[in-house]
Amino acid sequence: QVQLQESGSALVRPSQTLSLTCSVSGGSIGSGHFYWSWIRQSPGKGLEWMGYIHDSGSTYFNPTLQSRITISVDTSKNHFSLKLNSVTAADTAVYYCASTSSVVVTGMTFDLWGRGSQVTVSS
Amino acid sequence: DIQMIQSPSTLSASVGDRVTITCRASQSVGSLLAWYQQKPGKAPNLLIYKASSLQNGVPSRFSGSGSGTDFTLTISGLQPDDFATYYCQQYHTYYTFGQGTKLEIK
Repeated sequence: QVQLQESGSALVRPSQTLSLTCSVSGGSIGSGHFYWSWIRQSPGKGLEWMGYIHDSGSTYFNPTLQSRITISVDTSKNHFSLKLNSVTAADTAVYYCASTSSVVVTGMTFDLWGRGSQVTVSS
Repeated sequence: DIQMIQSPSTLSASVGDRVTITCRASQSVGSLLAWYQQKPGKAPNLLIYKASSLQNGVPSRFSGSGSGTDFTLTISGLQPDDFATYYCQQYHTYYTFGQGTKLEIK
């Protein structure tokens, strides 16, 4: 079965770029029908969907983050990545990667999640 | 964006109880509403989609209802494993979550 695992920098300086990768095992990115999302969770904002990339390569972002976020896929490494630039302390959160495997059945819900990666923005 | 408000924020109950959690949307989301369970230090887990459809593998004591702006999650016959935080999520207009309801042992 498909599993997701986040990796990346745990500490990011203010104004710098946050970078995380989600490695996919047990399945292949680009197989045709999956949506691959990033979702973050902080005590102040709760759960916040950040954006997704579809197997087709199309992307869709939370309007509040659209100017700062990039999501990309590397099919050769079977992972997808998040970049969030110009970070501030408000971007401190646990970052999850998640997938939607059966949008026709369940709609845009998140049926598989990684374990999460704590990212702290601090100087 | 669509705001999702859950009530109560905290709910105390005992094993065997029947509990209900409410989620209200700031505008209609039709039936495009999901419920998740999250335990400390873990990622959320999808329980219900399309307001009332049970995700594969989720026990039948969980049920969901509602449409438009008002939704409920009901757990019938609480088990020790059910004490966790529950979130609703709408997927009508991009995707937003409620603030969570913590279900704790009385």
